[in-house]
Amino acid sequence: EVQLVESGGGLVQPGRSLRLSCTASGFSFGDYAMSWVRQAPGKGLEWVGFIRSKAYGGTTEYAASVKGRFTISRDDSKSIAYLQMNSLKTEDTAVYYCTRARGAGYLDYWGQGTLVTVSS
Amino acid sequence: EIVLTQSPGTLSLSPGERATLSCRASQSVSSSYLAWYQQKPGQAPRLLIYGASSRATGIPDRFSGSGSGTDFTLTISRLEPEDFAVYYCQQYGGSAITFGQGTRLEIK
Repeated sequence: EVQLVESGGGLVQPGRSLRLSCTASGFSFGDYAMSWVRQAPGKGLEWVGFIRSKAYGGTTEYAASVKGRFTISRDDSKSIAYLQMNSLKTEDTAVYYCTRARGAGYLDYWGQGTLVTVSS
Repeated sequence: EIVLTQSPGTLSLSPGERATLSCRASQSVSSSYLAWYQQKPGQAPRLLIYGASSRATGIPDRFSGSGSGTDFTLTISRLEPEDFAVYYCQQYGGSAITFGQGTRLEIK
C-alpha cells in the first residue's frame, strides 16, 4: 500500500525557515517524481513544486510564488522528500501536501497534509 | 502559465441526478496531461481522472472525463450522497502544474 506521511509543520514567524519531510512507503520511491501542493485555509489547491526522479536528472521546478525561497530535495536511500521553506511569509500559511507525481503530471497519491502557520 | 477556469463555481443537484463540470484552459492542453480530483472536507484530494478520460484505480464508472484542446468535462452520471464535494481540474505543462479554482458540488 502506498503511503505518504508529511511531518515538520507548525507555527513559525515571518522571515524564518521550516523544513517539511515526506516519508514514503509501499513503492519504489526512487522511480517516481514527487511534488508538493498547498492549500491555504478555505482556498483551492496551489502547486508548489516538484522534483524529478534521478533517472530524469533529479531536477526541480517551482511555482513563481515560491521560486527562490523554497527548495525541494530527495533522499532516495531513505524514501524521503523534503521541502525547505525560507523567508516565510504570512501568505505561505497553508496545509502542505506531499504527492507522488506520474510522468504525465498527474498526482496519484497524496499524504494527509501538514499545517504550516506563518504568524508573529 | 496556463490558467484553468472551472464552471460553475457551485453546482446544486440532488442524488440521482447527472452532474456536468467544466474546465476551460487559457491555451491548448494535451489531453494526456489533464486530470480531475475530488476533495471532501478535512481530507486530502483524491485522483479521479487522468489523461482527460482514464479513471484512476478504484474510481466508480459513474465518473467519466472527456474533452480536448481547451475544453474538458467531468461527468458524474448518477450522483451518490458521497459525491458531494469539491472538484478540481489540473494540467501539466512540462515544467509547471496548475489547478482550476474548483467547483463545489452541493446537495440541493
